[in-house]
Parts: sequence; structure tokens; C-alpha cells
Amino acid sequence: QVQLVQSGAEVKRPGSSMKVSCKASGGTFSSFTINWVRQAPGQGLEWMGDIIPDFRTPRYAQKIQGRVTIIADESTNTVHMELRSLRSEDTAIYYCARGGGPGYSGSYMASWGQGTLVTVSS
Amino acid sequence: IVLTQSPGTLSLSPGERATLSCRASQSISSSYFAWYQQKPGQAPRLLIYGASRRATGIPDRFSGSGSGTDFALTITRLEPEDFAVYYCQQYGSSPRTFGQGTKVEIK
Repeated sequence: QVQLVQSGAEVKRPGSSMKVSCKASGGTFSSFTINWVRQAPGQGLEWMGDIIPDFRTPRYAQKIQGRVTIIADESTNTVHMELRSLRSEDTAIYYCARGGGPGYSGSYMASWGQGTLVTVSS
Repeated sequence: IVLTQSPGTLSLSPGERATLSCRASQSISSSYFAWYQQKPGQAPRLLIYGASRRATGIPDRFSGSGSGTDFALTITRLEPEDFAVYYCQQYGSSPRTFGQGTKVEIK
């Protein structure tokens, strides 16, 4: 049974940075995709990026490219997502979600973290 | 790839059949297509992947169909717990994209 546990809620000032972590347990870590998805209040789901720890090369949504970094730490089975130069429109629940099968072909989101609320406000 | 879901809201009664549609702006390779259910205050839950494969533990009243650019999620007999928002998603190309969601509400 795969479990993803995310770090806690944060309140951030505009222009600052946020970092959310996602610790995986109960399954293979290195060959499965970890996706990051966010959901602004009352809105739909937005894919932010992903990483397969074995491949080490993250992929990012163009909208946030240049402000986001996703890193996998295989020593702790944890994936970190950092978002910089925060704006009020970055206020959202941030989810990590693990692929259901190995590689990019298995990157449908079978297991989800509990979500991390990040509020950006002055 | 832009995914457009219809309708935006579906008002039905328990026991009725629900059919949700999702149209892609380009053909999705190898049916790398999924459906998720989200209830208020909860993370999304995977229902269908590979366009038609039910995820572990998903009741057989949920079924997915389609290929290319047109996909559908059918719930044969709505149970009270099925009233929620449903999202389609493609994972055949990057960036991954979601539809805007269909809300299934109690009539």
C-alpha cells in the first residue's frame, strides 16, 4: 500500500519562496513518477510538473517554468517541490501524486498525498 | 493538449445513469487517459486509467471508454456517494493536462 505524506500548511509573503515535501512509503520509489498538482480555491486541477527519481530530470509546466524546482531524494524516498517569487494567485492546495506503473507510461495518478495548503498573502 | 469536459454540471437522481464526456484537442497516444473523482475537502481519487481500466477497489458501476480524441465515463446506477466532481486527464504527452471538471449533483 503506497502512502504519500506531505509537509504542513504554510503562509507566505508575496515574492518569497515555498517548499513542499512528499515522502513516499510502501512501494518502489525510484522508477515511478511523482507528479505535483495544485488546486486554487474553488478551481480545477493544474499539473505543475513531475519527476521519475531514476531519470533525475524533472519536467515542468510552461506557466511556472523558471519559478519551480522539483528534486527527488532517493536516500529518504522524498520529493521536494520549491516554488519561488510567490504571488497571490499561487494560493492553492498542492498535491503530490504517484504514478500507478513504472515509467512515464504508468504516470496516471494512482496514489495521492493529503495535500498542503499554501496561502500567499501580505 | 486541451481537454474539454461536458457537461459542466449534471443533475441526476440516485439510481440514474450518468455519462460524462471529455474531448481532446489532439489524439491521445496509446489511450493514456484517466478519470478522477474528487469530493469536497478530499484529494482526487483515481477511477479509470488506460481509458478503460478500473483502478483498484473501484466498483464496476464505473466504466471508461473511448480513444483518440473522445472519451467517456459512465456510472451505470448512481449511488449517494458518487455525487462529486469528476476530472479527465491525459498522460500521453507533456505537459499533462486535466479537463475543467464535471460536477455530478443530486437533482
